[in-house]
Parts: sequence; structure tokens; C-alpha cells
Amino acid sequence: DGGITQSPKYLFRKEGQNVTLSCEQNLNHDAMYWYRQDPGQGLRLIYYSQIVNDFQKGDIAEGYSVSREKKESFPLTVTSAQKNPTAFYLCASGSGGQHEKLFFGSGTQLSVL
Amino acid sequence: GEDVEQSLFLSVREGDSSVINCTYTDSSSTYLYWYKQEPGAGLQLLTYIFSNMDMKQDQRLTVLLNKKDKHLSLRIADTQTGDSAIYFCAERQSGGSYIPTFGRGTSLIVHP
Repeated sequence: DGGITQSPKYLFRKEGQNVTLSCEQNLNHDAMYWYRQDPGQGLRLIYYSQIVNDFQKGDIAEGYSVSREKKESFPLTVTSAQKNPTAFYLCASGSGGQHEKLFFGSGTQLSVL
Repeated sequence: GEDVEQSLFLSVREGDSSVINCTYTDSSSTYLYWYKQEPGAGLQLLTYIFSNMDMKQDQRLTVLLNKKDKHLSLRIADTQTGDSAIYFCAERQSGGSYIPTFGRGTSLIVHP
């Protein structure tokens, strides 16, 4: 089945710890995105990548880092610099360009211990 | 700049029609989308409309676009309890990075 997979479903972070959220897609999409969702605030763009080995900051990139070494994978690291990391994180992929439609993973809920 | 506004909540009775509204500010938007999010899940694309269209119908879903007022609506006919979810409106500009802008989402509650 083609799709976009996020793991883990739930993740807990200790104080001062970096954690990495996984996002893999087998849709052969060029573009991938990370969004953060907080209750009542909708989706906020963290980082996006429109091609392998290239990525751009979104609206709330501070405290996060990404890599795009393979087309299929776009992991997100939540660093210790992110002081309020508790949120629902959504990864998406798209074919890119003007006619793009986004396909979303099922999300990762990150909580602080 | 771009901004997408939605009301936060809508409550309807099962069997009635639901109308979820959205306003946007970017007149250069070419694509407008409706996504559905069920609890604890990702977003699922429901439907989309090109900016040169006024209406699009897909089974129980009807999308209406008023470009003059920059107003988009999603009508769900014969609303069922399974339609209870958060509905997001999103727009995409015609130029630039093509990154879509999402509204905050409307929580639809369907009660018997």
C-alpha cells in the first residue's frame, strides 16, 4: 500500500533531551512537510523540503531540525532548545508544484515528562 | 499576506445539512481545499476546487466559492455521526513556494 507513515504514535521527552520523529513515504513525492498542531491553533509549518538534500524553515522552525538525505524520509528532531514541545506533530508529502495535494501521516503525539 | 479564517465550532442534528464556512484574504489563490481530521489522526483530503470554479459537488459534499467575497463553504448533506470531526480549509497561492495555508479548523459535532 502506498502511503505516509509516522512513528512512533506517542513519544515522551525528558528535560534536556533531543527526540526524533520519523516520517517515511512511498508515494514517490518530491515535497515533504512537518506541521505542529496545538488545540485551537490549527496547523503551523515547522520545516519543508521540496527536493532531496534541501529544506527550508517554516513559520516556527526554532528548536527543531530536519534532514532530507533520501526522498522517502524526512525525520524531525525536537531539540532541547524547544521549550514547549508538547503538541501533535503531523508529517505530509506532496508531488510539489501548483497542482499539489497533500497527503498526511497519522501523527505523533509528543509529551514532556 | 495570506490568512484563512474559520469559525471554531458547529453543532448540528443528525440528518440535517452542515455548512462550514471559510474566508481567505489572498486573491491570487488558485486552489482551495477542505481536509477532515478525526480524533488522534492525520488530515484527509476531502475535496478541492480551482479558483476558476464556482461550485463542485461530490456525493454528499458541495463546495461553493465566492471569489468576490473570498468566501468558501463546505456543505455536507444528511450529516451523520461519523461526520463528527475537525474540518480544515486551506488555500494555495498561484506563485511563490506553493505552500498551503491552513485555517484553524472547525469542530463539527453531530448529535442524535
